[in-house]
Amino acid sequence: GQQLNQSPQSMFIQEGEDVSMNCTSSSIFNTWLWYKQDPGEGPVLLIALYKAGELTSNGRLTAQFGITRKDSFLNISASIPSDVGIYFCAGPSSGTYKYIFGTGTRLKVLA
Amino acid sequence: NAGVMQNPRHLVRRRGQEARLRCSPMKGHSHVYWYRQLPEEGLKFMVYLQKENIIDESGMPKERFSAEFPKEGPSILRIQQVVRGDSAAYFCASSPVTPTSGGGTDTQYFGPGTRLTVL
Repeated sequence: GQQLNQSPQSMFIQEGEDVSMNCTSSSIFNTWLWYKQDPGEGPVLLIALYKAGELTSNGRLTAQFGITRKDSFLNISASIPSDVGIYFCAGPSSGTYKYIFGTGTRLKVLA
Repeated sequence: NAGVMQNPRHLVRRRGQEARLRCSPMKGHSHVYWYRQLPEEGLKFMVYLQKENIIDESGMPKERFSAEFPKEGPSILRIQQVVRGDSAAYFCASSPVTPTSGGGTDTQYFGPGTRLTVL
């Protein structure tokens, strides 16, 4: 079945640094969703991407839909302590009604 | 979490008891998904429902687990005769559209989850 692999699995960064993470698949996705999950809470939708090549921003967050439709990237500029959490990519699995979630990138920001 | 409600937030059951988890989707959303998440892991799809219909339950164990989304009221995920391995966070998400419906509307909004602990 389709899988989404996220990289890196975890990262420690200094406050103020920019962060990049990506999500890759061996098969095509027509939608990419990026979520952030804080401890003990449900995932919160950050950015939704619907077209290959699309670049969308939400405040300090920018996400891109890869032109091959097999990957997506999320960038966070000027990180702050509240950016700590787990970032998941997700997309609807083709031919089914399932949404597939990535393995997650755990971000820790050092003040 | 965009208005998706789940209750209870925490549920403790002894082995062999039943667990009932409730989810009220966002207003106007008729599509509900249930996911399970183990500590330090991602979300695993369990079941997708529309009002009064189970559309895809391929991620749900065939025994002891059931789900419904009645015409009136919340969606219910029921786990009968719980075992310790059922301990996890269960999340509900809702959507206004069918997946891959196109038109730039595929999305899901999550509730805060129910954390089930089986003693």
